[in-house]
Amino acid sequence: EAGVTQFPSHSVIEKGQTVTLRCDPISGHDNLYWYRRVMGKEIKFLLHFVKESKQDESGMPNNRFLAERTGGTYSTLKVQPAELEDSGVYFCASSQDRVYGGTIYFGEGSWLTVV
Amino acid sequence: AQSVTQLGSHVSVSEGALVLLRCNYSSSVPPYLFWYVQYPNQGLQLLLKYTSAATLVKGINGFEAEFKKSETSFHLTKPSAHMSDAAEYFCAVTPGRGSYIPTFGRGTSLIVHP
Repeated sequence: EAGVTQFPSHSVIEKGQTVTLRCDPISGHDNLYWYRRVMGKEIKFLLHFVKESKQDESGMPNNRFLAERTGGTYSTLKVQPAELEDSGVYFCASSQDRVYGGTIYFGEGSWLTVV
Repeated sequence: AQSVTQLGSHVSVSEGALVLLRCNYSSSVPPYLFWYVQYPNQGLQLLLKYTSAATLVKGINGFEAEFKKSETSFHLTKPSAHMSDAAEYFCAVTPGRGSYIPTFGRGTSLIVHP
């Protein structure tokens, strides 16, 4: 069974440009999460989808970030326009059920560098 | 609200030595606790988790962690380090109610010397 896959694995863009990150969760997982890690800091929660609905987007830093999950399958996270402080690793994760203490499966991350 | 503190951004050990990675948590309700590992160029992988059963939890690759409520700790240990254990380790906490979303610590990079 395929795990959580993310694309692109690495991206270098200039300040002001747009980048779209894609995440394919494990098949059958209704819950999809986006996290971000800025260099040397903690992995911070961005948002949580249940199927196509945004359940919690309290971690989204500002309105330059837009996440979608049309059809409840894959998700995209768009950054427009990108700023230097957006550089970091963006992790996507998925889980089957909303269970306290349930396991969340992570992808390999999309490394974003804004120059 | 919950939080996690990982003491030491880097821990260096010799191959064969004891590995001890520290994690302290703060949670207003009984927590669920996790350790994840990120090997170079890979994603986060679950090492082990505590879900209110046994306080000593055994995970993959010989790692284990002990939940100590009185100390609000969930330290990760391995009796004998291998070179292949070199990675970044993250402690995370989810409250027992109210939120399913884990909160992560800053991570500890484990360096293993030959």
